[in-house]
Amino acid sequence: QVQLQESGPGLVKPSETLSLTCTVSGYSISSGYYWGWIRQPPGMGLEWIGSIYHSGSTYYNPSLKSRVTISVDTSKNQFSLKLSSVTAADTAVYYCAKFTYAYVAFDIWGQGTMVTVSS
Amino acid sequence: EIVLTQSPGTLSLSPGERATLSCRASQSVSSSYLAWYQQKPGQAPRLLIYGASSRATGIPDRFSGSGSGTHFTLTISRLEPEDFAVYYCQQYGSSSWTFGQGTKVEIK
Repeated sequence: QVQLQESGPGLVKPSETLSLTCTVSGYSISSGYYWGWIRQPPGMGLEWIGSIYHSGSTYYNPSLKSRVTISVDTSKNQFSLKLSSVTAADTAVYYCAKFTYAYVAFDIWGQGTMVTVSS
Repeated sequence: EIVLTQSPGTLSLSPGERATLSCRASQSVSSSYLAWYQQKPGQAPRLLIYGASSRATGIPDRFSGSGSGTHFTLTISRLEPEDFAVYYCQQYGSSSWTFGQGTKVEIK
């Protein structure tokens, strides 16, 4: 049973870099699938941030591309998100998720982690 | 970038009623690449429908999806108390993913 768990600081200062990690259990990242980050500001809808293929190929939301880096660490079975130059608008619940091509959908999600941008 | 517009924003219905949710795309979407999710307060989204009309594992058959091209529909045939939630459509294309803004189904 595949499970995902986000981790990282819950508070980030404006202009700094937000860093989150998603730890995958029950499946080896290096074996396949896309892995993605999605966020949800308080009271608002879902926004795709970016995805990474198990091989390391990355795909980013054009609106965030200049500030986003997603990477994978197969030795730790983790993938990570870095979002630079954050502002209050980046305050959100951040989810990691597994994208299965058989469904062409995100079929497994982490529980989400709240990140607040504030001084 | 394909924009998905969901309507209505809020649907007020009673248990046992039928819910019809709409998702319109700014350009044609492959039916294979359209999914629906359910999200309850404080929880992560849950995959309901993939490929526009296929139910994900464990999803009751009162949930059904249909549509093609630029118009897709999620139907809940008879609302159960646990179905009151927010529903999102999502499309994938050209290594890019987008979500609709969501439809809230609330108890009338």
